[in-house]
Amino acid sequence: RKEVEQDPGPFNVPEGATVAFNCTYSNSASQSFFWYRQDCRKEPKLLMSVYSSGNEDGRFTAQLNRASQYISLLIRDSKLSDSATYLCVVNSGDSWGKLQFGAGTQVVVTP
Amino acid sequence: DTEVTQTPKHLVMGMTNKKSLKCEQHMGHRAMYWYKQKAKKPPELMFVYSYEKLSINESVPSRFSPECPNSSLLNLHLHALQPEDSALYLCASSHGIVLTASSTDTQYFGPGTRLTVL
Repeated sequence: RKEVEQDPGPFNVPEGATVAFNCTYSNSASQSFFWYRQDCRKEPKLLMSVYSSGNEDGRFTAQLNRASQYISLLIRDSKLSDSATYLCVVNSGDSWGKLQFGAGTQVVVTP
Repeated sequence: DTEVTQTPKHLVMGMTNKKSLKCEQHMGHRAMYWYKQKAKKPPELMFVYSYEKLSINESVPSRFSPECPNSSLLNLHLHALQPEDSALYLCASSHGIVLTASSTDTQYFGPGTRLTVL
């Protein structure tokens, strides 16, 4: 079983619509959670950290459910520029705090 | 400024060549990382340097040799690579490794070096 699992998509989203997707993690000791976006052939860029109470950054909302061990990302009013792969990233819970990456969810926003 | 720079952007090398990848950050971060990423896969951790000392080697073959000359620089020396080593090599940095399970520093990635081994 993978440590971090994501629906690979693609999620095809009309411009202006809302899209949401989840990520599940297996290690209950994990304490830090992040969403990164990665454009084709580019580096991952931090989108947002995910806090226990949930957090919002403009059109992006992240939620954490520790009981069910999943993290969600919601994108409102999708823009063409939101087309990317979204990586769910969780710390391993070991003493080094290594990160574990999901395989990514591809989002394609269409005109 | 959360900039991590990497050179070169692209590198093509033969299996007998020796080359080096370079990474630099001026954010005062004390932890630096090398990752390897194949197409349509997530990044895989290779090495971690903490306060200029090698902290983690994820069982990487010896044909990859990391070096941290100072707190701002991280190199990856390449020798006798195989075609399957072709990938995007990403450098990242963070403030410093938190040696507990309770939290992890945010990591910032450089643009990567796209390596092709012929």
